Amino acid sequence: EAQVTQNPRYLITVTGKKLTVTCSQNMNHEYMSWYRQDPGLGLRQIYYSMNVEVTDKGDVPEGYKVSRKEKRNFPLILESPSPNQTSLYFCASSVGLAEITDTQYFGPGTRLTVL
Amino acid sequence: QKEVEQNSGPLSVPEGAIASLNCTYSDRGSQSFFWYRQYSGKSPELIMSIYSNGDKEDGRFTAQLNKASQYVSLLIRDSQPSDSATYLCAAELSGGSYIPTFGRGTSLIVHP
Repeated sequence: EAQVTQNPRYLITVTGKKLTVTCSQNMNHEYMSWYRQDPGLGLRQIYYSMNVEVTDKGDVPEGYKVSRKEKRNFPLILESPSPNQTSLYFCASSVGLAEITDTQYFGPGTRLTVL
Repeated sequence: QKEVEQNSGPLSVPEGAIASLNCTYSDRGSQSFFWYRQYSGKSPELIMSIYSNGDKEDGRFTAQLNKASQYVSLLIRDSQPSDSATYLCAAELSGGSYIPTFGRGTSLIVHP
């Protein structure tokens, strides 16, 4: 089954404790991205990657890191989480440059709470 | 600030009626526009994409784009209770930026 998976789905942590949210897709997609969704603010892109070893900032990259060492995986790293990073996070993938947002598939989401 | 604006709603329509969802965008360079549906607690799923002025139909859904007015809409004909969800409008601002900008979404309620 074609899908984007994220782990964990739910996470409660404390300020300053490094964490990683994993994202994996099995569709051989070139393009992957991370979003956060907050009430009243909608979906905002954090980082995106157009291919292995190619990443770039989205609209709200501060406090986040990403890596793309393999085509299928795009982990989101919070080196020192803070309460303002409490949010619902989505990973997404698309076929490639010509169809980036047209065929964007979203993962199930990770609800993160930072105390 | 490049923005995509939507009325947050809720928009309430009776079953069988036409639901009309609207979206405006600020960047005249925008080339690609999308409508996503998001059920509560779930991830967004793409309903329609539109790139040219005019209408695009897919089943009960019609997307309309007017670049001169910087306006995108989504019509849902014969609305069903299962259409009750939040509808997100998105635009790839400045064409080729690879950073889609989402509106805050409109909540649609279809009551029997």
